[in-house]
Amino acid sequence: AQSVTQLDSQVPVFEEAPVELRCNYSSSVSVYLFWYVQYPNQGLQLLLKYLSGSTLVKGINGFEAEFNKSQTSFHLRKPSVHISDTAEYFCAVRSGANNLFFGTGTRLTVIP
Amino acid sequence: EAGVAQSPRYKIIEKRQSVAFWCNPISGHATLYWYQQILGQGPKLLIQFQNNGVVDDSQLPKDRFSAERLKGVDSTLKIQPAKLEDSAVYLCASSPGPQPGETQYFGPGTRLLVL
Repeated sequence: AQSVTQLDSQVPVFEEAPVELRCNYSSSVSVYLFWYVQYPNQGLQLLLKYLSGSTLVKGINGFEAEFNKSQTSFHLRKPSVHISDTAEYFCAVRSGANNLFFGTGTRLTVIP
Repeated sequence: EAGVAQSPRYKIIEKRQSVAFWCNPISGHATLYWYQQILGQGPKLLIQFQNNGVVDDSQLPKDRFSAERLKGVDSTLKIQPAKLEDSAVYLCASSPGPQPGETQYFGPGTRLLVL
């Protein structure tokens, strides 16, 4: 069985400050990990994904995430956020024959 | 490249009525997914198609939900009869293939309110 835990439901942060959105997963087999962003009244858009290889993954809009197998984590980071980063962020895992399983999301609010 | 198209964008119905949602995936994408996203939750997979065949419908409430992709392109998701707890956003996604590492591309969703 696979599961995803996003530890923070809401994260407020000031503009130009760094941010980290936390994600932990559980799976008994090798995993593929994804971060998606959802802007208001829009569908989900892929930020980045980890399939294999380097554990530091760079995505769009200046985001990056680090796969940590020992801690079963895939935290998302950005060194300096903009107002336009205000959105809902979803971590998702896919393993084995299972389909994509999403966490409950983290609402990032960037404060001017 | 055109994205995943969905219609309608919004729908309000009364309980026990029926409703249908339409999805047109990205051209050439063989795999199509329908997700249900309840307010405050992440999307949950309802059904996955590979071309016009069903790959996974284990989470689809088959007593009231049905879906088809007859020609392997467009897809329709139907609810009959609707219940209050069906109020959610219904997202359609497509990918070139079914491999686990494939990126899924999402449409804007249909927001359903059941009164």
